[in-house]
Amino acid sequence: DQQVKQNSPSLSVQEGRISILNCDYTNSMFDYFLWYKKYPAEGPTFLISISSIKDKNEDGRFTVFLNKSAKHLSLHIVPSQPGDSAVYFCAAYGGSQGNLIFGKGTKLSVKP
Amino acid sequence: GAVVSQHPSWVICKSGTSVKIECRSLDFQATTMFWYRQFPKQSLMLMATSNEGSKATYEQGVEKDKFLINHASLTLSTLTVTSAHPEDSSFYICSATGTAFYEQYFGPGTRLTVT
Repeated sequence: DQQVKQNSPSLSVQEGRISILNCDYTNSMFDYFLWYKKYPAEGPTFLISISSIKDKNEDGRFTVFLNKSAKHLSLHIVPSQPGDSAVYFCAAYGGSQGNLIFGKGTKLSVKP
Repeated sequence: GAVVSQHPSWVICKSGTSVKIECRSLDFQATTMFWYRQFPKQSLMLMATSNEGSKATYEQGVEKDKFLINHASLTLSTLTVTSAHPEDSSFYICSATGTAFYEQYFGPGTRLTVT
């Protein structure tokens, strides 16, 4: 039973355009949602998070939107840069669990 | 801030031997550390949650006697893969929670290859 789902395994975007990465969840008890970026053979790097009481959080080129009624969140990267090419993991925290639940990741490729 | 290191970054061992992987929080105290395993093209699989000074909590399906976890201090947790077999070959990643309990900071990972 996947509580956090990233239905798109890959996404290709042109440099300078917007990248939109999507994530759906099933557990309404999650308190926080996070996005991590991961390069091959490296550990994930924390990007941005959002509390369940908010619907938007922005940090530079990265914005996360949360739609609680739809149990959906998305990460917007604008403008996209070739260095953004990596696997992006959506994660959720809360409920009775003291750990993060990760999605399977979306591989973003930003083409020059 | 919030830097987590792992050592070694890459290790090859023979089948039947044991390997120890260290995870350190360099600039903060980590009450809780987590150990993950990642298979190629798969998500991060949580193996266990480690709290300083107490026994680790293992996820279902993870063998406690095979993957020994010790969290002796607020800055160090170790994972020992005992009697390693080729199927244990994987990428092992640790993480630690900082001041924001829901944010985890990850180490760079350790690539284990068992021959």
